[in-house]
Amino acid sequence: GQQLNQSPQSMFIQEGEDVSMNCTSSSIFNTWLWYKQDPGEGPVLLIALYKAGELTSNGRLTAQFGITRKDSFLNISASIPSDVGIYFCAGHWRDDKIIFGKGTRLHILP
Amino acid sequence: GAVVSQHPSRVICKSGTSVKIECRSLDFQATTMFWYRQFPKQSLMLMATSNEGSKATYEQGVEKDKFLINHASLTLSTLTVTSAHPEDSSFYICSARDYRGRETQYFGPGTRLLVL
Repeated sequence: GQQLNQSPQSMFIQEGEDVSMNCTSSSIFNTWLWYKQDPGEGPVLLIALYKAGELTSNGRLTAQFGITRKDSFLNISASIPSDVGIYFCAGHWRDDKIIFGKGTRLHILP
Repeated sequence: GAVVSQHPSRVICKSGTSVKIECRSLDFQATTMFWYRQFPKQSLMLMATSNEGSKATYEQGVEKDKFLINHASLTLSTLTVTSAHPEDSSFYICSARDYRGRETQYFGPGTRLLVL
């Protein structure tokens, strides 16, 4: 079945640094979604990408839908403490279901 | 934006009892809702897909008699964990797909279940 490989698994950065994470798959997707999950909460949608090559920003966040439809990246610029959390990529192909990556855990060092 | 609520947010119950969790889409109609389970430090695991007015579709390995799903309206789906046991303790999260067709799911805040 389809799988998403999300990397890195975790990141330790200084406040103010930029962050980059990505997801790849051996299969193509029609939609890529990026979510953030805080401890004890449900995932919150950050960015949705619907077209190959699409580059979308949401404040300090930027995400792109790879041209091959098999990958996507998420960048966070000038990180702040509230960016701490787990970031999940998710892809949708045909049926209603979406497939999640295993997540990237972001830590910000004081 | 699309808002999904879940109730209760936390529940503690004795082994053998049943627990019902509600998932509501507050500002949009959801023909399809999804139920996930998440263990600590792991990704979300899809349990079942709930379609309004029809039977839920369960993922492989998920017992449909154990996890009863009802999707009675376009804004409400319920998950009932029957005869709960300690191994059912987990974080249960629902999501709803906006009926207008975009393949985007909006998640509820989750329900923490602890079975003693």
